[in-house]
Amino acid sequence: QSALTQPASVSGSPGQSITISCTGSSGDVGTYNLVSWYLQHPGKAPKVIIFEVNNRPSGVSDRFSGSKSGNTASLTISGLQAEDEADYYCCSYAGSSTYVFGSGTKVTVL
Amino acid sequence: QVQLVESGGGVVQPGRSVRLSCAASGFAFNTYSMHWVRQAPGRGLEWVAIISHDGSFQFYADSVKGRISVSRDRSNNTLYLQMNSLRVEDTAIYYCATEGQLHTRYFFGFWGQGTLVTVSS
Repeated sequence: QSALTQPASVSGSPGQSITISCTGSSGDVGTYNLVSWYLQHPGKAPKVIIFEVNNRPSGVSDRFSGSKSGNTASLTISGLQAEDEADYYCCSYAGSSTYVFGSGTKVTVL
Repeated sequence: QVQLVESGGGVVQPGRSVRLSCAASGFAFNTYSMHWVRQAPGRGLEWVAIISHDGSFQFYADSVKGRISVSRDRSNNTLYLQMNSLRVEDTAIYYCATEGQLHTRYFFGFWGQGTLVTVSS
């Protein structure tokens, strides 16, 4: 159950688009279309923003979108806003009712 | 609205035990599988355990297997995490979370605010 690999940090200016990668293996991301993404502001609980690779829960901005190719999933934030500054985590189902999270990415809005 | 409120955290000596609780309200608790997820200070998220909606099965992360037990009380909508033989590396905020939202699964749909467990002598 090794953590999925994410870049430690990504930054962008307001209005720009950024993409966060999440690399796993054939035992998780590569096999299951069950990748989810979470946003966590400092001192707060995580909040789901994407599930099943590219689905948004009700109430989540359409500026967030997800995709997957092979063993790598990606989260794109378009029209970057100051409120998007947070930590982002990917997560994949890994079989046998187990899950594995990514290492986390700090997004900075310049 | 959905509410998950964890409790039971605090400072615990290495080797001792602690039981965390998660009180659920605002949704059909007995129809959801439930998870525990933890986050060490300044670190990332780590999935810990899942229990099925009816309590019939539980699965654990390898890092805690054999030392942790998850259970639920369907009569009072409460989830539990029993942690034994605690280690310094178990120091973390422990969150409870639902399996999905409504009819969707395989993600963590709703989260509590977390409870901090500090393992220290």
